Amino acid sequence: AQKITQTQPGMFVQEKEAVTLDCTYDTSDPSYGLFWYKQPSSGEMIFLIYQGSYDQQNATEGRYSLNFQKARKSANLVISASQLGDSAMYFCAMREFNTDKLIFGTGTRLQVFP
Amino acid sequence: GAGVSQTPSNKVTEKGKYVELRCDPISGHTALYWYRQSLGQGPEFLIYFQGTGAADDSGLPNDRFFAVRPEGSVSTLKIQRTERGDSAVYLCASSSGRGLGTEAFFGQGTRLTVV
Repeated sequence: AQKITQTQPGMFVQEKEAVTLDCTYDTSDPSYGLFWYKQPSSGEMIFLIYQGSYDQQNATEGRYSLNFQKARKSANLVISASQLGDSAMYFCAMREFNTDKLIFGTGTRLQVFP
Repeated sequence: GAGVSQTPSNKVTEKGKYVELRCDPISGHTALYWYRQSLGQGPEFLIYFQGTGAADDSGLPNDRFFAVRPEGSVSTLKIQRTERGDSAVYLCASSSGRGLGTEAFFGQGTRLTVV
């Protein structure tokens, strides 16, 4: 069954440091996509980064990179040079090719301190 | 409009009443999703439309919940005989179609409070 697990309810990081947010997934579909979204306290969902199951290289978008380890079924988000504005909830999500259904994990609350 | 629009932004209703939540997706987007998000939780999948038809409604919690998208654009989530446990933020998202990497764009949500 399609499932996303985020085991870190909360994380703290000092400004300018890097932080890794964990995500593991489960699927029987060989073709799938993995997403990370940011949700600030304002409530909007902001797309950050995408990784396809057949992509050979890890995705990067500015300060965001995705550490994709297919055999371990993990898709961790790495945020480099953290900024105070990065404080938010972060959600990992997956879409299976066969179902096209996009499901989310429970999220990690990241707090960046000066 | 430029983004996904959800109305109302807030809805307070009495237990047992019927409510309708509206989602206006980005123009031309064929895929539309409804999610329910409780405080401190991730978005919980409810239903997914591809065009006018519900491609997957496996997330609807019970038969009090129903959603339609009659013309393949605007969608309405309908909740009958509301219960206090239905209180949550209801999120709508749309995307331009099938495709693993197709980004889903979210609305600001409707905060439903059942008193």
